Amino acid sequence: ETGVTQTPRHLVMGMTNKKSLKCEQHLGHNAMYWYKQSAKKPLELMFVYSLEERVENNSVPSRFSPECPNSSHLFLHLHTLQPEDSALYLCASSQGPGQLNTEAFFGQGTRLTVV
Amino acid sequence: AQSVTQPDIHITVSEGASLELRCNYSYGATPYLFWYVQSPGQGLQLLLKYFSGDTLVQGIKGFEAEFKRSQSSFNLRKPSVHWSDAAEYFCAALLSNDYKLSFGAGTTVTVRA
Repeated sequence: ETGVTQTPRHLVMGMTNKKSLKCEQHLGHNAMYWYKQSAKKPLELMFVYSLEERVENNSVPSRFSPECPNSSHLFLHLHTLQPEDSALYLCASSQGPGQLNTEAFFGQGTRLTVV
Repeated sequence: AQSVTQPDIHITVSEGASLELRCNYSYGATPYLFWYVQSPGQGLQLLLKYFSGDTLVQGIKGFEAEFKRSQSSFNLRKPSVHWSDAAEYFCAALLSNDYKLSFGAGTTVTVRA
């Protein structure tokens, strides 16, 4: 248990569905992240939120929509996904830059399959 | 461009043998450096980190890593591997004033009996 909890752990969705991934951190961190991990590829940073404000958006398609209602919760809303979006989606949190002990802690991930 | 390179895609070691995983970084300034481990279907667990100071850092599960500025390297070592060490290992780097934690492509470790 890392203090970062992701739900659901597994998700199968059709290309016309709308679903959401949830992440919650209990570490008092200021920054939260979404990463995508596809087979045979390095981890890709998708979004970063610091104190509920988006500070990074790495050219992610608009079918992925993040939401950070408070510093403990992060969502990734999904709609009209493509099969190539199937991957492990990892949430992480950290203290943020300029802080001591700024390492990132990761959740267990959500295994997403788009059919 | 900033990058983290793990030259070895896959390493096989015998149980009880030593293990060394290589990591090189390319940054304008010395970044913070991390090693993470990932078991199948799981998230990433932090093994150890280097921010500054002593260049030999100790981590969990008997792992250690050595920072070498002259070689831009941060190699991970374990003197005697256990079957439970079979996993994927990721090296990562972060500039102190940035959010962007960059990862290497990972090294898969297989442990044979």
